[in-house]
Amino acid sequence: EDKVVQSPLSLVVHEGDTVTLNCSYEVTNFRSLLWYKQEKKAPTFLFMLTSSGIEKKSGRLSSILDKKELFSILNITATQTGDSAVYLCAVAHTGTASKLTFGTGTRLQVTL
Amino acid sequence: KAGVTQTPRYLIKTRGQQVTLSCSPISGHRSVSWYQQTPGQGLQFLFEYFSETQRNKGNFPGRFSGRQFSNSRSEMNVSTLELGDSALYLCASGPGGFDYGYTFGSGTRLTVV
Repeated sequence: EDKVVQSPLSLVVHEGDTVTLNCSYEVTNFRSLLWYKQEKKAPTFLFMLTSSGIEKKSGRLSSILDKKELFSILNITATQTGDSAVYLCAVAHTGTASKLTFGTGTRLQVTL
Repeated sequence: KAGVTQTPRYLIKTRGQQVTLSCSPISGHRSVSWYQQTPGQGLQFLFEYFSETQRNKGNFPGRFSGRQFSNSRSEMNVSTLELGDSALYLCASGPGGFDYGYTFGSGTRLTVV
């Protein structure tokens, strides 16, 4: 059975801190790993990672994939209260572009 | 450009009833996927439609069905509702290829009483 596990389940940090969110996976036919941010309802796409070792960056967020050890991390530097959300990791499978297997998410709360 | 539009936003139904949810994808997107999100199970894939054909299906009972119209709009139907069907139902649209991130709608919150 395909599994995507995220840790920690929840996290409370102070504004300005740096956080690292983890995602490990055991899936058949891995194609790519995606990160989403869910604040209220609609998950918002952050990154898609297909190749090992290539960091993707967007502002204060960055992510990297390790296909040998089957995990990915999402880093957020200089956190802001607007970063408070649930961060979801998902795996896309070869041959079935649309079916994403999601982890249960990491709830991040950034306090002043 | 307009995002993914889901209607209605909220719905309360009684056990045994049926319900139809609607999703209008981003203009030009031909793929629509449906997900169920619950606190216990997280986001789970229901099915995907591409060019009016179901292309993939998750592990849900036959009470869950869907269809897609020629304009790419999609509907999801749940028959004989059970309490456990209470969830946020999200749809996601994409162009239909492999290397892109899906865009999600804001969902329909279904409560079964």
